[in-house]
Amino acid sequence: TQLLEQSPQFLSIQEGENLTVYCNSSSVFSSLQWYRQEPGEGPVLLVTVVTGGEVKKLKRLTFQFGDARKDSSLHITAAQPGDTGLYLCAGDPRTSGTYKYIFGTGTRLKVLA
Amino acid sequence: ETGVTQSPTHLIKTRGQQVTLRCSSQSGHNTVSWYQQALGQGPQFIFQYYREEENGRGNFPPRFSGLQFPNYSSELNVNALELDDSALYLCASSLRGFNTEAFFGQGTRLTVV
Repeated sequence: TQLLEQSPQFLSIQEGENLTVYCNSSSVFSSLQWYRQEPGEGPVLLVTVVTGGEVKKLKRLTFQFGDARKDSSLHITAAQPGDTGLYLCAGDPRTSGTYKYIFGTGTRLKVLA
Repeated sequence: ETGVTQSPTHLIKTRGQQVTLRCSSQSGHNTVSWYQQALGQGPQFIFQYYREEENGRGNFPPRFSGLQFPNYSSELNVNALELDDSALYLCASSLRGFNTEAFFGQGTRLTVV
């Protein structure tokens, strides 16, 4: 069974602080996506990383895919209250024609003003 | 807004009953995936439909079934509801293929009492 573990599970920080969220697995994924989910809403895609070692930036968010494509990180610089939400990583295991995603357990971030 | 619509948004059912949840996919998307998200957890893959046929299934019992219609909309049916079926049910539409972006609906919150 392929699992994605995220850490930390919960994070409460002050506005302006930096943070990093980790997504780890013992399995290799062909790609990895990061989503943000707000209460009462479905997950919204932030980024997809495909190549081992790939780094993508989205404003104050920096995403990295591990060289071995088993892990990923999300770094937020100068967090703002609008960054509050549940951050989910999801990996594509690329198994036998089923295009599904394995989701991590999530990191719940709260940014205090 | 993703263009993926789910109905109803909230539902309360009694243990043993049956329920049907609906999803209208984003225009042009031919693949629909259903996920179950328990409170405090990441989404778990239930199954995926492509061209009106099931195209992969997660670790869910047969009482979870689905349909996809010619216009690519989809239904999720759950028979003999159990208390543990209480969750947010998410529908995601996409184009068939790897590394394609999936767009999620806002979900249906099902409570089984």
